[in-house]
Amino acid sequence: DAKTTQPPSMDCAEGRAANLPCNHSTISGNEYVYWYRQIHSQGPQYIIHGLKNNETNEMASLIITEDRKSSTLILPHATLRDTAVYYCIVRVARSNTGKLIFGQGTTLQVKP
Amino acid sequence: SQTIHQWPATLVQPVGSPLSLECTVEGTSNPNLYWYRQAAGRGLQLLFYSVGIGQISSEVPQNLSASRPQDRQFILSSKKLLLSDSGFYLCAWSVSVGEKLFFGSGTQLSVL
Repeated sequence: DAKTTQPPSMDCAEGRAANLPCNHSTISGNEYVYWYRQIHSQGPQYIIHGLKNNETNEMASLIITEDRKSSTLILPHATLRDTAVYYCIVRVARSNTGKLIFGQGTTLQVKP
Repeated sequence: SQTIHQWPATLVQPVGSPLSLECTVEGTSNPNLYWYRQAAGRGLQLLFYSVGIGQISSEVPQNLSASRPQDRQFILSSKKLLLSDSGFYLCAWSVSVGEKLFFGSGTQLSVL
């Protein structure tokens, strides 16, 4: 199973873009990159996912490098409510369950 | 629209007592169902997943068991709780392989 590496914590000023990096150097060709976030004492929330093309939705943008060994989640205008733990996950490919394995994530602190 | 219900929100149980946490999904059929646990300050650990009624896969050996008596019902149980069973338990579902996960609001279990 491909593993991911994220910085344990990051700070971001309110209103500025938050760029959260993730390394997944052992990713396989058919594995997707998923991003979730978990606000304290709540269940994780899906943000975005992608295979090799950059993706954008109403919450964030996902930039995947051409070699697919790393990606960056971009929150274009961070707010205090974006303070959370952000998980970068590579989907397990060997099983047909679609299960996702969560790592330690990055704690993003948005400051006023 | 689909919704996931998980209860209770908090639970305090003595060591050696039984456990039953219930999760139900509405608005979809034949979902993949998952139980995760999050110890304090740690990432999410996948405990069980199910792709159909009566089908349970266990990810880690432990003091817990899971059952899926109905298509949209997933139950986490223990005959005798241990101190190490304390944590934040999350139920989740997905439509199919590779689809994003939708999480419940979680149960904070304290075993004393």
